[in-house]
Amino acid sequence: DQQVKQNSPSLSVQEGRISILNCDYTNSMFDYFLWYKKYPAEGPTFLISISSIKDKNEDGRFTVFLNKSAKHLSLHIVPSQPGDSAVYFCAAEHGSSNTGKLIFGQGTTLQVKP
Amino acid sequence: EPEVTQTPSHQVTQMGQEVILRCVPISNHLYFYWYRQILGQKVEFLVSFYNNEISEKSEIFDDQFSVERPDGSNFTLKIRSTKLEDSAMYFCASSPTPYGYTFGSGTRLTVV
Repeated sequence: DQQVKQNSPSLSVQEGRISILNCDYTNSMFDYFLWYKKYPAEGPTFLISISSIKDKNEDGRFTVFLNKSAKHLSLHIVPSQPGDSAVYFCAAEHGSSNTGKLIFGQGTTLQVKP
Repeated sequence: EPEVTQTPSHQVTQMGQEVILRCVPISNHLYFYWYRQILGQKVEFLVSFYNNEISEKSEIFDDQFSVERPDGSNFTLKIRSTKLEDSAMYFCASSPTPYGYTFGSGTRLTVV
Protein backbone atom coordinates (compact mmCIF):
# COMPACT_ATOMS: atom_id res chain seq x y z
CA ASP A 1 0.00 0.00 0.00
CA GLN A 2 2.22 2.77 -1.31
CA GLN A 3 0.30 5.88 -0.38
CA VAL A 4 3.44 8.01 -0.63
CA LYS A 5 5.81 7.40 -3.51
CA GLN A 6 9.20 8.74 -4.42
CA ASN A 7 9.77 7.34 -7.86
CA SER A 8 13.39 8.38 -8.22
CA PRO A 9 15.64 6.25 -6.03
CA SER A 10 18.62 8.49 -6.71
CA LEU A 11 19.59 11.91 -8.02
CA SER A 12 22.98 13.37 -8.79
CA VAL A 13 23.59 17.12 -9.23
CA GLN A 14 26.57 19.42 -9.45
CA GLU A 15 27.40 21.69 -6.53
CA GLY A 16 25.73 25.07 -6.90
CA ARG A 17 22.92 23.77 -9.10
CA ILE A 18 19.33 23.13 -8.13
CA SER A 19 18.24 19.76 -6.72
CA ILE A 20 14.59 18.84 -7.24
CA LEU A 21 13.22 15.89 -5.35
CA ASN A 22 9.72 14.70 -6.14
CA CYS A 23 7.02 12.93 -4.20
CA ASP A 24 3.53 11.75 -5.14
CA TYR A 25 0.72 10.67 -2.89
CA THR A 26 -2.56 8.90 -3.44
CA ASN A 27 -4.60 9.66 -0.33
CA SER A 28 -6.51 12.93 -0.68
CA MET A 29 -7.05 12.98 3.11
CA PHE A 30 -3.38 13.80 3.71
CA ASP A 31 -3.19 17.40 4.83
CA TYR A 32 0.34 17.86 6.13
CA PHE A 33 3.55 16.99 4.38
CA LEU A 34 7.13 16.90 5.57
CA TRP A 35 10.59 16.34 4.18
CA TYR A 36 13.27 14.58 6.19
CA LYS A 37 16.95 14.14 5.48
CA LYS A 38 18.83 11.07 6.62
CA TYR A 39 22.54 10.40 6.82
CA PRO A 40 23.86 6.84 7.26
CA ALA A 41 23.75 5.61 10.88
CA GLU A 42 21.57 8.54 11.93
CA GLY A 43 17.86 9.07 12.37
CA PRO A 44 15.80 11.18 9.96
CA THR A 45 16.17 14.92 10.52
CA PHE A 46 13.24 17.22 9.88
CA LEU A 47 13.86 19.69 7.05
CA ILE A 48 10.71 21.49 6.06
CA SER A 49 6.96 20.98 6.03
CA ILE A 50 3.88 22.30 4.31
CA SER A 51 0.23 22.34 5.17
CA SER A 52 -2.34 21.51 2.50
CA ILE A 53 -3.72 25.04 2.72
CA LYS A 54 -0.49 26.36 1.20
CA ASP A 55 1.21 25.70 -2.09
CA LYS A 56 4.71 26.82 -1.16
CA ASN A 57 6.90 27.04 1.90
CA GLU A 58 10.42 28.35 1.94
CA ASP A 59 13.22 28.06 4.49
CA GLY A 60 16.60 29.29 3.38
CA ARG A 61 17.90 27.11 0.55
CA PHE A 62 14.93 24.72 0.87
CA THR A 63 11.53 25.26 -0.73
CA VAL A 64 8.67 22.80 -0.79
CA PHE A 65 5.93 23.09 -3.41
CA LEU A 66 2.58 21.39 -3.11
CA ASN A 67 0.22 20.73 -6.01
CA LYS A 68 -2.91 19.31 -4.43
CA SER A 69 -4.77 18.70 -7.66
CA ALA A 70 -1.87 16.57 -8.91
CA LYS A 71 -1.21 15.09 -5.46
CA HIS A 72 2.42 16.00 -5.92
CA LEU A 73 5.02 17.77 -3.87
CA SER A 74 8.59 18.65 -4.55
CA LEU A 75 11.59 19.83 -2.59
CA HIS A 76 13.93 22.32 -4.20
CA ILE A 77 17.41 22.86 -2.84
CA VAL A 78 19.18 25.92 -4.21
CA PRO A 79 22.12 26.08 -4.35
CA SER A 80 23.00 22.46 -3.69
CA GLN A 81 26.01 21.78 -1.50
CA PRO A 82 28.07 18.60 -1.03
CA GLY A 83 26.82 18.43 2.57
CA ASP A 84 23.31 18.00 1.22
CA SER A 85 24.24 14.51 0.02
CA ALA A 86 21.90 12.22 1.95
CA VAL A 87 18.69 10.25 1.62
CA TYR A 88 15.59 12.45 1.47
CA PHE A 89 12.22 11.16 2.58
CA CYS A 90 8.89 12.78 2.07
CA ALA A 91 6.18 11.96 4.59
CA ALA A 92 2.49 12.69 4.93
CA GLU A 93 0.02 12.91 7.77
CA HIS A 94 -3.65 12.08 7.54
CA GLY A 95 -6.01 14.98 8.18
CA SER A 96 -8.22 13.15 10.64
CA SER A 97 -5.33 11.73 12.63
CA ASN A 98 -4.21 13.55 15.74
CA THR A 99 -1.74 10.85 16.67
CA GLY A 100 1.08 12.17 14.53
CA LYS A 101 1.41 9.00 12.46
CA LEU A 102 3.49 9.64 9.34
CA ILE A 103 3.49 7.68 6.10
CA PHE A 104 6.92 7.79 4.48
CA GLY A 105 8.02 7.45 0.90
CA GLN A 106 10.84 5.12 -0.08
CA GLY A 107 13.44 7.86 -0.13
CA THR A 108 15.65 9.45 -2.78
CA THR A 109 19.41 9.38 -2.43
CA LEU A 110 20.84 12.75 -3.40
CA GLN A 111 24.48 13.05 -4.36
CA VAL A 112 25.89 16.55 -4.79
CA LYS A 113 29.19 16.50 -6.62
CA PRO A 114 31.81 19.15 -5.86
CA GLU B 1 20.17 21.19 20.89
CA PRO B 2 18.02 18.61 22.73
CA GLU B 3 18.10 15.16 21.26
CA VAL B 4 16.39 11.80 21.48
CA THR B 5 18.79 9.16 22.77
CA GLN B 6 18.50 5.50 21.85
CA THR B 7 20.36 2.58 23.37
CA PRO B 8 21.91 0.29 22.39
CA SER B 9 23.05 1.41 18.96
CA HIS B 10 23.30 -2.21 17.84
CA GLN B 11 21.66 -5.27 19.35
CA VAL B 12 22.18 -8.83 18.19
CA THR B 13 19.76 -11.42 19.50
CA GLN B 14 18.84 -15.01 18.85
CA MET B 15 15.53 -15.82 17.25
CA GLY B 16 12.86 -16.36 19.89
CA GLN B 17 14.57 -14.16 22.48
CA GLU B 18 13.02 -11.06 24.00
CA VAL B 19 14.60 -7.68 23.33
CA ILE B 20 14.00 -4.28 24.84
CA LEU B 21 14.98 -1.19 22.90
CA ARG B 22 15.38 1.92 24.98
CA CYS B 23 14.77 5.55 24.23
CA VAL B 24 15.07 8.75 26.22
CA PRO B 25 12.80 11.32 24.55
CA ILE B 26 13.29 15.07 24.83
CA SER B 27 12.17 16.05 28.30
CA ASN B 28 9.21 18.33 27.61
CA HIS B 29 7.80 16.28 24.74
CA LEU B 30 4.43 14.63 25.09
CA TYR B 31 4.11 12.44 21.99
CA PHE B 32 6.29 9.39 21.48
CA TYR B 33 6.73 7.10 18.52
CA TRP B 34 8.50 4.02 17.29
CA TYR B 35 9.28 3.48 13.62
CA ARG B 36 11.36 0.89 11.89
CA GLN B 37 13.25 0.63 8.63
CA ILE B 38 14.09 -2.75 7.19
CA LEU B 39 17.27 -2.53 5.11
CA GLY B 40 16.53 -0.97 1.73
CA GLN B 41 12.90 -0.30 2.52
CA LYS B 42 10.87 2.68 3.67
CA VAL B 43 10.55 3.97 7.21
CA GLU B 44 7.40 2.37 8.67
CA PHE B 45 5.23 3.55 11.54
CA LEU B 46 4.88 1.12 14.42
CA VAL B 47 3.16 2.93 17.27
CA SER B 48 2.35 6.30 18.77
CA PHE B 49 2.02 6.92 22.49
CA TYR B 50 0.44 9.83 24.30
CA ASN B 51 -0.82 10.39 27.82
CA ASN B 52 0.53 7.03 28.94
CA GLU B 53 -1.33 5.00 26.39
CA ILE B 54 -1.08 3.86 22.80
CA SER B 55 -2.89 6.31 20.55
CA GLU B 56 -2.37 4.42 17.31
CA LYS B 57 -0.57 1.30 16.15
CA SER B 58 0.12 -0.27 12.80
CA GLU B 59 -0.57 -3.80 11.58
CA ILE B 60 3.09 -4.57 12.21
CA PHE B 61 2.63 -3.86 15.92
CA ASP B 62 1.11 -7.20 16.85
CA ASP B 63 0.94 -8.99 20.20
CA GLN B 64 4.67 -9.58 20.13
CA PHE B 65 5.30 -5.86 20.53
CA SER B 66 4.68 -3.63 23.52
CA VAL B 67 5.68 -0.17 24.63
CA GLU B 68 6.14 1.33 28.05
CA ARG B 69 7.08 4.58 29.67
CA PRO B 70 8.13 3.03 32.95
CA ASP B 71 9.58 5.99 34.81
CA GLY B 72 8.47 9.16 33.09
CA SER B 73 11.70 9.57 31.17
CA ASN B 74 12.41 6.33 29.30
CA PHE B 75 10.27 4.98 26.49
CA THR B 76 10.83 1.33 25.63
CA LEU B 77 9.86 -1.02 22.84
CA LYS B 78 9.75 -4.70 23.74
CA ILE B 79 9.65 -7.55 21.27
CA ARG B 80 8.71 -10.69 23.14
CA SER B 81 9.87 -13.41 20.79
CA THR B 82 12.01 -12.06 17.99
CA LYS B 83 11.80 -13.36 14.44
CA LEU B 84 14.35 -13.05 11.66
CA GLU B 85 12.08 -10.54 9.91
CA ASP B 86 12.25 -8.23 12.92
CA SER B 87 15.80 -7.34 11.89
CA ALA B 88 15.71 -3.62 11.12
CA MET B 89 16.69 -0.17 12.31
CA TYR B 90 14.28 0.94 15.00
CA PHE B 91 13.82 4.66 15.45
CA CYS B 92 12.28 6.36 18.44
CA ALA B 93 10.88 9.86 18.04
CA SER B 94 9.27 12.45 20.25
CA SER B 95 7.49 15.76 19.77
CA PRO B 96 5.68 18.41 21.84
CA THR B 97 2.70 18.25 19.46
CA PRO B 98 1.59 15.66 16.89
CA TYR B 99 3.78 17.44 14.34
CA GLY B 100 7.48 17.96 13.86
CA TYR B 101 9.19 14.96 15.36
CA THR B 102 12.74 14.65 16.53
CA PHE B 103 14.11 11.21 15.76
CA GLY B 104 16.81 9.36 17.60
CA SER B 105 19.78 7.82 15.82
CA GLY B 106 18.22 4.37 15.90
CA THR B 107 18.99 0.90 17.18
CA ARG B 108 20.06 -1.66 14.64
CA LEU B 109 18.44 -4.96 15.66
CA THR B 110 19.90 -8.10 14.14
CA VAL B 111 18.07 -11.34 14.78
CA VAL B 112 20.14 -14.46 14.08
